Amino acid sequence: ETGVTQTPRHLVMGMTNKKSLKCEQHLGHNAMYWYKQSAKKPLELMFVYSLEERVENNSVPSRFSPECPNSSHLFLHLHTLQPEDSALYLCASSPKSDNSPLHFGNGTRLTVT
Amino acid sequence: RKEVEQDPGPFNVPEGATVAFNCTYSNSASQSFFWYRQDCRKEPKLLMSVYSSGNEDGRFTAQLNRASQYISLLIRDSKLSDSATYLCVVGSTGGGNKLTFGTGTQLKVEL
Repeated sequence: ETGVTQTPRHLVMGMTNKKSLKCEQHLGHNAMYWYKQSAKKPLELMFVYSLEERVENNSVPSRFSPECPNSSHLFLHLHTLQPEDSALYLCASSPKSDNSPLHFGNGTRLTVT
Repeated sequence: RKEVEQDPGPFNVPEGATVAFNCTYSNSASQSFFWYRQDCRKEPKLLMSVYSSGNEDGRFTAQLNRASQYISLLIRDSKLSDSATYLCVVGSTGGGNKLTFGTGTQLKVEL
């Protein structure tokens, strides 16, 4: 039990599909994050939400659209993705949106065909 | 220069060996430092925070050298279960989440 749960664990989608990744945290944290992890590259921060408000968007293409309906749930809506978007997408939470340690979910491994 | 730099390894060591990883960072204003562990095809998990005075947790010792801008992780009496990728993470100032991850150092502990 990681405290941060992501679904689905694996996703294969075509470039014209629309899908969504879901993240739920049970830790009572106020900040939630989406990270992308590609092979041989460091984790890349995509989005940060603090108390349901987006506080950071790291120049992520518009084909990735986050949604945070409440402090426990975070979604990443995907549409018209490219093969280079194939990666491990990790959700994380922390007590606040500062440099406190992150608690990660188990990730969604995405393959775009 | 990368913001956070680590030797990717792999480090292949026999069980019981002592192994050390170094990590260098470029932002001299960095204020928080961590080591995370990531097992194959799993999520990263916090191993330990790194404090200015150095800190120890069982077989693991972390040290910070601000003058030289590097962090180290020492693992003593390594176990097979220590095999994983160790990620160095550095947080800078400026408000908000400014955690920067290294690419990780892979450790393989062998019989």
